[in-house]
Amino acid sequence: EPEVTQTPSHQVTQMGQEVILRCVPISNHLYFYWYRQILGQKVEFLVSFYNNEISEKSEIFDDQFSVERPDGSNFTLKIRSTKLEDSAMYFCASSGTGVGLNYGYTFGSGTRLTVV
Amino acid sequence: GIQVEQSPPDLILQEGANSTLRCNFSDSVNNLQWFHQNPWGQLINLFYIPSGTKQNGRLSATTVATERYSLLYISSSQTTDSGVYFCAVDTGFQKLVFGTGTRLLVSP
Repeated sequence: EPEVTQTPSHQVTQMGQEVILRCVPISNHLYFYWYRQILGQKVEFLVSFYNNEISEKSEIFDDQFSVERPDGSNFTLKIRSTKLEDSAMYFCASSGTGVGLNYGYTFGSGTRLTVV
Repeated sequence: GIQVEQSPPDLILQEGANSTLRCNFSDSVNNLQWFHQNPWGQLINLFYIPSGTKQNGRLSATTVATERYSLLYISSSQTTDSGVYFCAVDTGFQKLVFGTGTRLLVSP
């Protein structure tokens, strides 16, 4: 079964540093997403990406965050200057092989980010 | 925005027991999925089920879209079923909204 691959699985960074989380979505999917989960809480939507641009973003996704699809396979989330409250599990997901979300979302295994 | 509520919040079972988890949502949905989050934090997709009934081994799910709820059935539970079960819905705006989850502990 096709998978969404995320790297690294764990990252520890100092407050104020930039981090880039990487994802390889399923190859024929058209929609890409980042979600996050603070420890013990529910999974929250950050941003969706389609046709090389952001299609929707949440209030969490402020100017400190950016997404990019630098080539035909990778999808990245950059946090410009990390804060302690950015510590969370970050999930990448992809969906859709056509118009409409008829096939569900597939999630990666997550990157656990710890800001110290 | 859409509200997604799950019940019960916590559930403790003996191995071999059956259980039913419920997900209520406040608006029409295009997509509903059930996920199992294992102890390592991974989100495992169990069912894509915007309507109807599906079965996969000991697990089955039913969504009654007109009444805005979905049920996940776990039969003959095993210790490996422990974790958090999330229901998530999509109203067609390119994002999943997750419920708060049901934390399941299956003891031997």
